[in-house]
Amino acid sequence: DSGVTQTPKHLITATGQRVTLRCSPRSGDLSVYWYQQSLDQGLQFLIHYYNGEERAKGNILERFSAQQFPDLHSELNLSSLELGDSALYFCASSSQGGNTEAFFGQGTRLTVV
Amino acid sequence: DAKTTQPPSMDCAEGRAANLPCNHSTISGNEYVYWYRQIHSQGPQYIIHGLKNNETNEMASLIITEDRKSSTLILPHATLRDTAVYYCIVRVYNFNKFYFGSGTKLNVKP
Repeated sequence: DSGVTQTPKHLITATGQRVTLRCSPRSGDLSVYWYQQSLDQGLQFLIHYYNGEERAKGNILERFSAQQFPDLHSELNLSSLELGDSALYFCASSSQGGNTEAFFGQGTRLTVV
Repeated sequence: DAKTTQPPSMDCAEGRAANLPCNHSTISGNEYVYWYRQIHSQGPQYIIHGLKNNETNEMASLIITEDRKSSTLILPHATLRDTAVYYCIVRVYNFNKFYFGSGTKLNVKP
């Protein structure tokens, strides 16, 4: 158990809909990262938040947005969903700065039908 | 971020050492080498990281060449449960973005 909690574990929704994925980081971790992994693909970095502020953006679509709340949990919002958005979405957290490793949650499997 | 190159797949016999290479010839002086693995579709699991000295923990050893252009992850006694995709990542110190490449699919066989 990495200490990072993602909910829900599975989500099935229709095209055009909007969903919210939630991530609770390890206790005390200020950084949260989101990754997307499509079927048989590598992990694509989406976005990084540190203590409530956006720090880095990767290949995140404009239909996707994220935020980190004062209690440090984070949400990834996916809107106008397309079939191609079906993927595993992982959240990871790490402590502030420095030479620290990131710990990953078990992911949310999103299926768009 | 420096790029990494890894073989797409490797086989290893159960109980033997698994040596997974990684090339990072463009690594900068302030970039660390990290190794993660992903078992099936689970969340990636941290294994080990280092800057220039060799490192060892309960899971593995990391050997970094003197010029830091390549490294090797060593699993001393591979088990079937070590079958996974292993990712080598280089990351700037104090910069928390992790970029994953294609990784090496390690197949541990009985």
